[in-house]
Amino acid sequence: DAMVIQNPRYQVTQFGKPVTLSCSQTLNHNVMYWYQQKSSQAPKLLFHYYDKDFNNEADTPDNFQSRRPNTSFCFLDIRSPGLGDAAMYLCATSRDLINTQYFGPGTRLTVL
Amino acid sequence: DQQVKQNSPSLSVQEGRISILNCDYTNSMFDYFLWYKKYPAEGPTFLISISSIKDKNEDGRFTVFLNKSAKHLSLHIVPSQPGDSAVYFCAASALNRDDKIIFGKGTRLHILP
Repeated sequence: DAMVIQNPRYQVTQFGKPVTLSCSQTLNHNVMYWYQQKSSQAPKLLFHYYDKDFNNEADTPDNFQSRRPNTSFCFLDIRSPGLGDAAMYLCATSRDLINTQYFGPGTRLTVL
Repeated sequence: DQQVKQNSPSLSVQEGRISILNCDYTNSMFDYFLWYKKYPAEGPTFLISISSIKDKNEDGRFTVFLNKSAKHLSLHIVPSQPGDSAVYFCAASALNRDDKIIFGKGTRLHILP
């Protein structure tokens, strides 16, 4: 029944230790997004894929990378997590860029 | 610079009464507006949207009003129910430019028994 799935729901990593968050979708949507959300702030778009085309936001740090090996899956790689990267990471999908986005439950990342 | 502003971080409303959540925007290119609802430990869920060609859209207990001249929209929930307690995000985009959605910071709604 789930449409946008994120694993794991909670991730703990150590300062500087690479971590990968995963997102999968059963909607067959063209677009997949990664957002970072910190407490009491608006979700901040990091990047999105339109099919295989990767679109990075100008202010997304190089520390954040993404991979989309196929339509269903998209990964967020944080190469060297810092304490400031502790946040909720939300994956979303939409049929096209102008359509409503559907969000996954999020992965809460803790950096020790 | 915040293009979508939700100036009330939180709001408390008695059960059965009307909840009114407000949102202001600065970008006159925005022509599509959405409200998302978010429970703790869950992702935002789409609630209702409105295009700039309309000034009102209604879906059950939820109504969104758009005032383009004031660059203001509001979400009305009536009657408010306990399950409505959540964070509500206002979002906007410029469909004619294929722009991404810009979110506000959210308003936490508490429905009081």
